Amino acid sequence: SYVLTQPPSVSVAPGQTARITCGGNNIARESVHWYGQKPGQAPILVVYDDSDRPSGIPERFSGSDSGNTATLTISRVEAGDEADYYCQVWDDSSDHPVFGGGTKLTVL
Amino acid sequence: QVQVQESGPGLVKTSETLSLTCTVSGGSIRSYYWSWIRQPPGKGLEWIGYIYYNGSTNYNPSLKSRVTISVDTSKNQFSLKLSSVTAADTAMYYCARNEAYCTTTSCSSWFDPWGQGTLVTVSS
Repeated sequence: SYVLTQPPSVSVAPGQTARITCGGNNIARESVHWYGQKPGQAPILVVYDDSDRPSGIPERFSGSDSGNTATLTISRVEAGDEADYYCQVWDDSSDHPVFGGGTKLTVL
Repeated sequence: QVQVQESGPGLVKTSETLSLTCTVSGGSIRSYYWSWIRQPPGKGLEWIGYIYYNGSTNYNPSLKSRVTISVDTSKNQFSLKLSSVTAADTAMYYCARNEAYCTTTSCSSWFDPWGQGTLVTVSS
C-alpha cells in the first residue's frame, strides 16, 4: 500500500516561512491534501488537490509537489499556526485514503 | 454550510460494541461519501471506513471484520458500529464528509468538514 512520510517536527520563528514535507513514491502524480490540527481540536482542511485553498484559509498557506515530495508552505508564520499538520492522498489501488504520520509545527 | 456532529457513549466496556452516530446539518447527506476516522491519544489519524448515501461501503482492511457503517437518509445521519472492542480502540472518533471526484486516470478525495470529535474510552 502507499506510504506517506512526514518529519515528526518542524520549528520556525514568527514571521519566517515554514515548509512541511510529505514523501511518497511519485507523489507528484497524486492529489495531495493537507490538514491542520490545533491542540484539542479537530483537523481542518487547509489545502486540497495539491495547491487549492478552501474558503477561509489564509493565502499564507500554499501547497506544491515535485517528484517524490509534496510540500505545505506557510509564509509569515504566526503563533496561531502552531499545530500538527497531516498530508493525505487517495490510494486508487485500494480505494482507501492514506495519511502521513503528521508533523508538529512549533513556532519559536 | 454543511456541519457534522458525532454523538454516542463516551465509555464502552471491553469486548462490547462501540456505537456512534453522525448527524449532518445544513445540507443533504445525499450525493456524498461520508467517513469515520479515529485518532488514538497522542497518535495520528486512522481512517475507519466510508459509506455512500445509497448504502455502499468500504472499510479499512485492518478493521473490516469488526466494522459496520450504515446510513439513514431520512434522518440525515450515518452510524458506526465497532464490535469486540479493546483498549486499543480508545480514541477520538471523527466523522467527516468525503469530497471526491474521478478523472479517466485517477480519483481524488479529501475530508471536509470534520466533526468536533467524540472521545471513546474502552475499559473493563
